[in-house]
Amino acid sequence: KQEVTQIPAALSVPEGENLVLNCSFTDSAIYNLQWFRQDPGKGLTSLLLIQSSQREQTSGRLNASLDKSSGRSTLYIAASQPGDSATYLCAVEGDYGQNFVFGPGTRLSVLP
Amino acid sequence: SAVISQKPSRDICQRGTSLTIQCQVDSQVTMMFWYRQQPGQSLTLIATANQGSEATYESGFVIDKFPISRPNLTFSTLTVSNMSPEDSSIYLCSATQLAGGVFGPGTRLTVL
Repeated sequence: KQEVTQIPAALSVPEGENLVLNCSFTDSAIYNLQWFRQDPGKGLTSLLLIQSSQREQTSGRLNASLDKSSGRSTLYIAASQPGDSATYLCAVEGDYGQNFVFGPGTRLSVLP
Repeated sequence: SAVISQKPSRDICQRGTSLTIQCQVDSQVTMMFWYRQQPGQSLTLIATANQGSEATYESGFVIDKFPISRPNLTFSTLTVSNMSPEDSSIYLCSATQLAGGVFGPGTRLTVL
């Protein structure tokens, strides 16, 4: 059974710092890995999708990498801003069309 | 990618009553899922909503408590039956596509 963990559980940084969020999964046979953002009391916003054949994806200040063999993904946020404060969730899809398995999330706070 | 809407967005219910949540997708999708997010927790899969057949439930979730309908490829409902305060959560509908997982905005349920 797939299990997803995320480190750290919470992170508080001053504005402008570059930071890395980590995600690990136990079964390397995945189809997709997706990073989401969730603001308090809100739904999920998709940030980046990495297909199993890809090594990384970039969108603006965000870069996500995937190492399937080691069961790891990292989300890199450059020049963090207070607006980046949210919970970041990593989720893996075992096969096409299957459900996602979510990690517990990293709660990020960027201080002005 | 597909857009998912849910109704209601939130509700406050009395113990012992039932609530039906509707999920509408703006395009046909093969797989639809229902997740629960308890306060301060990540997302947990309740069941896969199968079109034309009974839903497939995850361990710990049963049909009598969470009956699901999927009459076509764009619509599904989740009923939370005989509610207790422990059912207070956000319930999210989801579909998977080539572009990754797409989630509805969620239904925030409070049971008194």
